[in-house]
Amino acid sequence: DGGITQSPKYLFRKEGQNVTLSCEQNLNHDAMYWYRQDPGQGLRLIYYSQIVNDFQKGDIAEGYSVSREKKESFPLTVTSAQKNPTAFYLCASTPREQGHRNGYTFGSGTRLTVV
Amino acid sequence: QKEVEQNSGPLSVPEGAIASLNCTYSDRGSQSFFWYRQYSGKSPELIMFIYSNGDKEDGRFTAQLNKASQYVSLLIRDSQPSDSATYLCAVNRGGSARQLTFGSGTQLTVLP
Repeated sequence: DGGITQSPKYLFRKEGQNVTLSCEQNLNHDAMYWYRQDPGQGLRLIYYSQIVNDFQKGDIAEGYSVSREKKESFPLTVTSAQKNPTAFYLCASTPREQGHRNGYTFGSGTRLTVV
Repeated sequence: QKEVEQNSGPLSVPEGAIASLNCTYSDRGSQSFFWYRQYSGKSPELIMFIYSNGDKEDGRFTAQLNKASQYVSLLIRDSQPSDSATYLCAVNRGGSARQLTFGSGTQLTVLP
């Protein structure tokens, strides 16, 4: 079945540590996105990528980094510069066709906690 | 002013009633509008989308769009306890980036 796989489901980070969240899709979608959700709040855009080897900052990119070496993969690294990383992280993708009419397909999310 | 605003709720309705969820947006250039349902601890799932002014019906769900007034709403008829979730309104900013901007969500509880 096609879909988006995020791993791990739960992740614990120590102070000063970098961690990488995995996002893989087999939907052949061109665009991929990373969002962060804090309790009781909506989703905020961290980074997005429309094609391989290209990505753009979203609204809250500070303290995060991404890469897009393959169409299927869009990993997110939470660096030590991100001072408040505890949140629910969601990866999403959408196809190129139909332009603005596409909604997103979401992965199941990674819950990151600083310990 | 937030780009996409929703009443945070919580909104409670009795089983069988109509639940009405509202969303306003600030960017007049927005072209498409989406409603996502999110159960606690889960990722959002798309339930409705609308592009044109007026109503769009899908089963028990009706999305309503009024671009002149910059609001979009979701009606859930014959509400069921399984509809209890947070409903997120999302707006496509238009252009080539295909980014969605999300509201903070409205928490709906359907009481048996």
